[in-house]
Amino acid sequence: DVKVTQSSRYLVKRTGEKVFLECVQDMDHENMFWYRQDPGLGLRLIYFSYDVKMKEKGDIPEGYSVSREKKERFSLILESASTNQTSMYLCASRARWGKNTEAFFGQGTRLTVV
Amino acid sequence: SQQGEEDPQALSIQEGENATMNCSYKTSINNLQWYRQNSGRGLVHLILIRSNEREKHSGRLRVTLDTSKKSSSLLITASRAADTASYFCATDQAIQGAQKLVFGQGTRLTINP
Repeated sequence: DVKVTQSSRYLVKRTGEKVFLECVQDMDHENMFWYRQDPGLGLRLIYFSYDVKMKEKGDIPEGYSVSREKKERFSLILESASTNQTSMYLCASRARWGKNTEAFFGQGTRLTVV
Repeated sequence: SQQGEEDPQALSIQEGENATMNCSYKTSINNLQWYRQNSGRGLVHLILIRSNEREKHSGRLRVTLDTSKKSSSLLITASRAADTASYFCATDQAIQGAQKLVFGQGTRLTINP
């Protein structure tokens, strides 16, 4: 049974804190993604990674950074959390293009910044 | 940028009726995918249709693709209360040799018993 696991379902952090959201996949997928989801805005891509140590900015990278030191783990970092980063964060993984291109999602992390 | 745009944004129907959701996109595609999201959860893949396919079925789901109009539709037949969820279409955008998956805003479907 394939699995993408996000470290927390709910998280409350204070403004200015450094926040780490962790995502682990067990499918040996090359590609991993971080999205945020807000009402009325759908899923917006923050960053993605197509290989270890490789990363590309998505549509809304400002205020975020990422780390992919191992193939199975993709971390999203909020360097200094702000209230406008309160959102649902979704991690996904998928195989390299040319194989099965279905994306698998984690259960989501609902982050509240106070 | 949102590649896929779903229509309608919200749909409410009676159990047993059919539900149709539409998706439009802007650039050429290799495939289009539909996902489902139950409230507050992650997305689950439903079906993928390739650009050279016009229609695909999976159980009570039927997906059509019209590349000339850059649009797709998802039909759920004989709807059930458990079909209540948000539905998203997604397309690939090539960037730096990788493929990023871009989602629309989704259609929120409510099935009334």
